[in-house]
Amino acid sequence: GQNIDQPTEMTATEGAIVQINCTYQTSGFNGLFWYQQHAGEAPTFLSYNVLDGLEEKGRFSSFLSRSKGYSYLLLKELQMKDSASYLCAVRSSNQAGTALIFGKGTTLSVSS
Amino acid sequence: DTEVTQTPKHLVMGMTNKKSLKCEQHMGHRAMYWYKQKAKKPPELMFVYSYEKLSINESVPSRFSPECPNSSLLNLHLHALQPEDSALYLCASSPIDRGLSGELFFGEGSRLTVL
Repeated sequence: GQNIDQPTEMTATEGAIVQINCTYQTSGFNGLFWYQQHAGEAPTFLSYNVLDGLEEKGRFSSFLSRSKGYSYLLLKELQMKDSASYLCAVRSSNQAGTALIFGKGTTLSVSS
Repeated sequence: DTEVTQTPKHLVMGMTNKKSLKCEQHMGHRAMYWYKQKAKKPPELMFVYSYEKLSINESVPSRFSPECPNSSLLNLHLHALQPEDSALYLCASSPIDRGLSGELFFGEGSRLTVL
């Protein structure tokens, strides 16, 4: 089976740094993705980790530890437009195919 | 062209109607997906097509019938739906080549209301 956990809600202020954690248990692990989804819109890709370590992309960084089944998304210099749902997703592969399975998402509210 | 196009954007149907959702991509991706998303919930995987063949069916009721006529098109045929099937239906595509990250590119979704 697969299990992906992340906090339901987080709040932060403009200019701050926030870390959204994700833990997972899955078979056939083949990468971890972070997506951002604004209300009423489709998810958009933020980052991808398949090896342990930190991937940095502008204001966003993502970290993966495969041995601990753990990832985090770090958002720096928060802006109001960063208020959205952040989805941790694990790609698993088996003989049937490959798919992304999403966690429940973390709703981030950024205030001024 | 890095878009996944879904039509219609909105659909209202009765429980006895037959309708279809359509999805198109021209990025050369050989994997295509249908996800269902209810309000304030994450996307839930329904179907995966790899090389135009159904590879994953997440125990979806038969009133949902997917079809992949060619490598650019993905349809979801709807028949005898229930009000609880009302949701946003998201289509996505991704490259299968292991040399790429395999990220999913999502369409904007078709918002379905079943009366």
